[in-house]
Amino acid sequence: DAGVTQSPTHLIKTRGQQVTLRCSPISGHKSVSWYQQVLGQGPQFIFQYYEKEERGRGNFPDRFSARQFPNYSSELNVNALLLGDSALYLCASSATGGNYGYTFGSGTRLTVV
Amino acid sequence: GENVEQHPSTLSVQEGDSAVIKCTYSDSASNYFPWYKQELGKGPQLIIDIRSNVGEKKDQRIAVTLNKTAKHFSLHITETQPEDSAVYFCAAPMNTGFQKLVFGTGTRLLVSP
Repeated sequence: DAGVTQSPTHLIKTRGQQVTLRCSPISGHKSVSWYQQVLGQGPQFIFQYYEKEERGRGNFPDRFSARQFPNYSSELNVNALLLGDSALYLCASSATGGNYGYTFGSGTRLTVV
Repeated sequence: GENVEQHPSTLSVQEGDSAVIKCTYSDSASNYFPWYKQELGKGPQLIIDIRSNVGEKKDQRIAVTLNKTAKHFSLHITETQPEDSAVYFCAAPMNTGFQKLVFGTGTRLLVSP
């Protein structure tokens, strides 16, 4: 079975632009969580979705939004990009809405110039 | 508050030695403590986890211990090998109306041949 897949793997954007990152969870997993990992730090929670509904949101501005589709895949959108948004964006899936059995994808490396 | 402290930030050992990484969490309701290994260019990979109803769990060369009273948990790697070199993260769930994983700041482990 395929693991958690994220696309694209790398992305370069200009300040002020918008970006959409995509995630496909492990087959059968209904929960997707998004994390931001700045270089040299641990992952920071952004969003959690379960059964297509937002379960929770971290301390990120409204420029960050996400959604989950009927097939449980998910998109993370970031508007009005800032230099500080440069990071590795990680998607994690789990079978239920809890934290047990998180499996992470390899992430999307976003660079804002 | 939501906080997971991790130390040391870097750890250098000789092949065959043991390595210990320690974490402290703040939410006394936390009941699940995973450890992740992150290699360069990859997402975090779950290597071992422990639930609050046990004090220790082993898996070959890796063990995790938990002291709920002190709110400490530790990762122990014995007979280290060069391929153990990576960044290790501890995490704990924080309940803020829903459960999210809060990560430590990471430990860079270098195992020298």
